[in-house]
This record gives sequence, C-alpha cells and structure tokens, in this order.
Amino acid sequence: ETTLTQSPPFMSATPGDKVTISCKASQDIDDDLNWYQQKPGEAVNFIIQEATTLVPGIPPRFSGSGYGTDFTLTITNIESDDAANYFCLQHDNFPYTFGQGTKLEIK
Amino acid sequence: QVQLQESGPGLVKPSETLSLTCTVSGDSITNYFCSWIRQPPGKELEWIGYIYHNGRTNYNPSLKSRVTMSVDTSKNQFSLTLTSMTAADTAVYSCATGPRGGGSYPAGWGQGTLVTVSS
Repeated sequence: ETTLTQSPPFMSATPGDKVTISCKASQDIDDDLNWYQQKPGEAVNFIIQEATTLVPGIPPRFSGSGYGTDFTLTITNIESDDAANYFCLQHDNFPYTFGQGTKLEIK
Repeated sequence: QVQLQESGPGLVKPSETLSLTCTVSGDSITNYFCSWIRQPPGKELEWIGYIYHNGRTNYNPSLKSRVTMSVDTSKNQFSLTLTSMTAADTAVYSCATGPRGGGSYPAGWGQGTLVTVSS
C-alpha cells in the first residue's frame, strides 16, 4: 500500500500570497496523483489530475508539479475563497490512498 | 455536469449492516466508474472501492470482507453495503464518479452523509 505524506498539515496565508503544499509518496507512483479541495458542507472539488493537469473550470492560479514520489500543489495570488482543506490521492496502485490533508486558512 | 446525492440512515447500531445509495443525475452511470470514500471524524480519507456498470468491482482489502457494492443502471444508482458495523465505522460516507469515459479514481463527488454507529 502506498502511503502519502502531506505537509504542512496547517497553513495560514494572506490574500495575494503564494502557497505550496507537498505530497510525498512512499513508492514511485509515476504521475498518478490528483489534488482535491474540500470545504465544509460542500462536495469535494477535483482540481488537479495526473499531477500537473488542471481540471477544466479550475482557475489557473492552481497548479501541480512532480513525478514519481514528490508532488506539489501551488496556489498563487491566494483569494479568501481558497480557504479549504486540500488533499492528494494516488491512483497508481490498489488500494487508492489519500494524504492526510492540509488546512489552508486565509487571514 | 453529473451530480451525486447519497442517501441512507444517519444512525446504525453496532453489529448491524449499513446500506447507502448514491443517485446520479445529469448523465448515465454507465459512463463512469462509481466509488465510495469515507472519512472518520478528525481522520484522513479512506477509499472503500469502486464498481463499474458491468459489475466489475475493486475493494479496499481493509474492508473487503464486509463490503459489497452494486449498481442499478435503470435507476442510475449505485449502492454500498457494509456489514458488522462498529464505532470505528462512524464516518462521512461520500460517493463519487470517475472522469467520464475512463479513470477509476474519484472526480465528481457527492456532498457526503454522516453515518454514526451507536446503540
């Protein structure tokens, strides 16, 4: 089973900032990694697929990078609406597994 | 755009069986892999498994002995059954579909439903 270690677990940002969230896999997963955004009481939003591809409709302020074991979600020009929990998912091997999540607070 | 809605009991007694249904609107579920995911309070997400409209399934080994998924294409619904429930199964259960036409990972999600296991 592939373990995904996400960091940091919590971060705080100011509108206009740039933030990066890390997701490290315990084994090589190629680019089979997705990123999601979760807000309380809402359905989860799918934001990045295959490590680097922006899901249609997601603003280009969001971007993903990485391959193999190290992955990063970057959000530039942070907006108040970006306050959420962000998590990664690997779908390279079964069972699919998730990162522990990063809670992003906007000051 | 496909929309998903979970339905089922919010409270289940220990040792009983949980049955949840996900109703999909906006497109036929035959175009998607259909998944279930759960998140216990304060813990990380757990992938439960998926089902395809032809009956093909893949379950998380940690739950495999207690999980059954099914699909009803006539109602555009898919379902989850989890037996021998314990307090450890208390969680928000979410259904999801994969990308249209391929990909078994979750793409579109329902809002989730909280299931509490308590006597």
